[in-house]
Amino acid sequence: LAKTTQPISMDSYEGQEVNITCSHNNIATNDYITWYQQFPSQGPRFIIQGYKTKVTNEVASLFIPADRKSSTLSLPRVSLSDTAVYYCLVGDNNSGTYKYIFGTGTRLKVLA
Amino acid sequence: DAGVIQSPRHEVTEMGQEVTLRCKPISGHNSLFWYRQTMMRGLELLIYFNNNVPIDDSGMPEDRFSAKMPNASFSTLKIQPSEPRDSAVYFCASSSLGAGEKLFFGSGTQLSVL
Repeated sequence: LAKTTQPISMDSYEGQEVNITCSHNNIATNDYITWYQQFPSQGPRFIIQGYKTKVTNEVASLFIPADRKSSTLSLPRVSLSDTAVYYCLVGDNNSGTYKYIFGTGTRLKVLA
Repeated sequence: DAGVIQSPRHEVTEMGQEVTLRCKPISGHNSLFWYRQTMMRGLELLIYFNNNVPIDDSGMPEDRFSAKMPNASFSTLKIQPSEPRDSAVYFCASSSLGAGEKLFFGSGTQLSVL
């Protein structure tokens, strides 16, 4: 089972800021939080990763509270091309080996 | 770097036939993952390797599925015999070993079993 929970879908309009929140209540001490973006007919692509506090790159920002039980991906001023599925991922080391299990993801639709 | 390379890009076959999907990970990466994606089940982790050794194959659906990694630059996922319910997009991903390492995905193989 995935260790993360996200909203199934979201709609937004061009130019708006979009925030997608992910819950990971059972995150382990050494887990990083990673977000991926997937367009139709393509594999998921890395967007941003963080461990705590705030991380920002040219594409997005990632906000992580002190307890690390959730995280929020922030996409500034979205455009139509940001329509995609966004996955939040934390590692799974429960079985003694490190693996990555995807949840359902959030389907973001950006409207004109 | 060319990224993760998968072949074929599309595969159409008949039920009962053997199917072999291929993956070349990014050079220097020592973890390789096979995922399957369908509308109903989303992205499922089938199996993954560390340093060419299968670590966890608990996601492999049946004995009809097998995966190998004979060396650091090549892996195969085989389905024998194939069934219509195996129709899906199969992704290969690679990463460096360890927590916090990013996954790099290939373009996937769209498999259709008629």
